[in-house]
Amino acid sequence: DAKTTQPNSMESNEEEPVHLPCNHSTISGTDYIHWYRQLPSQGPEYVIHGLTSNVNNRMASLAIAEDRKSSTLILHRATLRDAAVYYCILRDGGVQWSGSEKLVFGKGMKLTVNP
Amino acid sequence: EPEVTQTPSHQVTQMGQEVILRCVPISNHLYFYWYRQILGQKVEFLVSFYNNEISEKSEIFDDQFSVERPDGSNFTLKIRSTKLEDSAMYFCASREVRVATNEKLFFGSGTQLSVL
Repeated sequence: DAKTTQPNSMESNEEEPVHLPCNHSTISGTDYIHWYRQLPSQGPEYVIHGLTSNVNNRMASLAIAEDRKSSTLILHRATLRDAAVYYCILRDGGVQWSGSEKLVFGKGMKLTVNP
Repeated sequence: EPEVTQTPSHQVTQMGQEVILRCVPISNHLYFYWYRQILGQKVEFLVSFYNNEISEKSEIFDDQFSVERPDGSNFTLKIRSTKLEDSAMYFCASREVRVATNEKLFFGSGTQLSVL
């Protein structure tokens, strides 16, 4: 799986938007960009994923650069519950039947939300 | 939302003993995984399982480890002879279909294994 780069940590304030960046300069045309998060003492939790177009769901938005070499996870109004480690992961969606099925987690980025 | 359930939440064992960690994946899911996370470290892939066989395993998943789907609902990870370095949080995960547009993994809350 292609590599992603995230800051080690970020801080935000409650009820303010927060933009979490991810660089993936070696992304291939068939790589999907996935975001997961891990709350303290919990298993990872899916947040959002996309390929080329920006994506929105009830948890967050994903903005993907036109060249796909970077993306940004946007939490529109951070809450204390959003404090977690956020993982930006690339998954090859091109080879569905013989490619690796696993997610490879990096160190992620720790988000602290201040009250 | 449906959940992946893991039991027990904590397991303490003596070095050299066998342990079985249990997971109930989401009922219509077809792909199952075990991951582990040593305290303060990354979440590491151990093994994936599909159609009643291992589809991929990592270097960590040596002969001491095995997985089984003994019935239609449970998915287990067995460690035959535990070592101190097996102490970690073990996460089970499952996925519904093998379609890139729907590749959402659901993780359980984990089993904290402590080997003394």
